[in-house]
Order: sequence, then C-alpha cells, then structure tokens
Amino acid sequence: NAGVTQTPKFRILKIGQSMTLQCTQDMNHNYMYWYRQDPGMGLKLIYYSVGAGITDKGEVPNGYNVSRSTTEDFPLRLELAAPSQTSVYFCASSYADRGRPLHFGNGTRLTVT
Amino acid sequence: KQEVTQIPAALSVPEGENLVLNCSFTDSAIYNLQWFRQDPGKGLTSLLLIQSSQREQTSGRLNASLDKSSGRSTLYIAASQPGDSATYLCAVMGVLYGNNRLAFGKGNQVVVIP
Repeated sequence: NAGVTQTPKFRILKIGQSMTLQCTQDMNHNYMYWYRQDPGMGLKLIYYSVGAGITDKGEVPNGYNVSRSTTEDFPLRLELAAPSQTSVYFCASSYADRGRPLHFGNGTRLTVT
Repeated sequence: KQEVTQIPAALSVPEGENLVLNCSFTDSAIYNLQWFRQDPGKGLTSLLLIQSSQREQTSGRLNASLDKSSGRSTLYIAASQPGDSATYLCAVMGVLYGNNRLAFGKGNQVVVIP
C-alpha cells in the first residue's frame, strides 16, 4: 500500500519556468489537498478537491493551478515560477468523512532561483 | 477565520519525562481536531483525531484531550523517548474555515534528551 506518492522529491527552477508537481493516492480517497510549508509559517492550503472534476481555492492559490480528472491523481501546476514559490509542497488525501484523518505524501522541495 | 496557536515553538525534555503539548484555537465550532507528527524532511503522520463530540483519544503512550468551550487541546506523551523527537502539529477542521479543510498551527519542535 503506497499511500500518497509525490514526485519529484526535489526540483530547482529558474524564474519564469513552469513545472507540474505530481500527486497520486491509491486509497480511493475522495478528498485531496495541496499545502505549502514555509519555515516558521506552518502549512498553508493552496487548492483542494472533493472529487474528480471538482476543485476549489485555498488560502494561497495565486500562481498555481490544479486539475482532478481521476480519483487517484491531483497534479499542481506552477506556470511562471517566482522566488516566492520556493517552499516544500505537500499533497494529502482523506475519505469524505470528518472522522477519518488526512494522509500526507513526503513532499516536494522546490527552489526557484 | 480559524486561528490555531501552539506555544512554545520549541522545547527540550529529558528522557523519561512526560511531554505536554498545548494547542489553542479561536472558533469553537469545530468538526474535529487532529494531531500530527513530522520528522525532518518527511511528510506529516496522523497521530490522533478527536471528533467534536469526544473529550479525548488515546493510542499507546499518547493521549489527546479536547475542550471545545475553552478552545484548547492537549497532547500528552507519557515517558518520553529520544525517538519522540519531532515536530508536532495541531490542526482543526471547523465551520469558519470550511468543512473539508484543516487549519494548522505552526507546530511544537520537541527534542528528547537521552
């Protein structure tokens, strides 16, 4: 049981480049989330999805896009990378049940220079 | 907006002592509160989830309590071990922030000294 898998683990981007952070889960979870974690700032929600074809903005969506074409996959797209997007990105998923916890991937460490 | 606070940001305890970590939140209309552990360079691992109708949850040496009226939760780790060194994060799912979303505290970084 792989859980939540994120790729790549590390990436360095130049300003203005684009990339997609991949996230896939094999637990048949309805809900999926993207967070960013900056030192001393806690986790901030970027986007989330309650099911295939449904996405919604979180606290800090600017500069990012998402899609959810399948239950398993929830990629995060950075179109024009900026230094402010240097962060660690975490994908998470859960069942559509408030009594069930979130499961996290191991993160993608992104540096924009 | 739901605010979640964890103080202190960092603490050290000698091995064998009981650990007490506090979490406070501003809006008492919550669905659940979750405690996570994060090791350096890793993702978050769920430790305990307390639903709004519950007062506490226990798993092994871990016990978490919830007092909605005062907006507080406490995580107790009995007889701490060096392997308990990690960052512990509290997160709240509530009405104000959206019923499918968690608001996170910044975490307590714990070092257990052998």
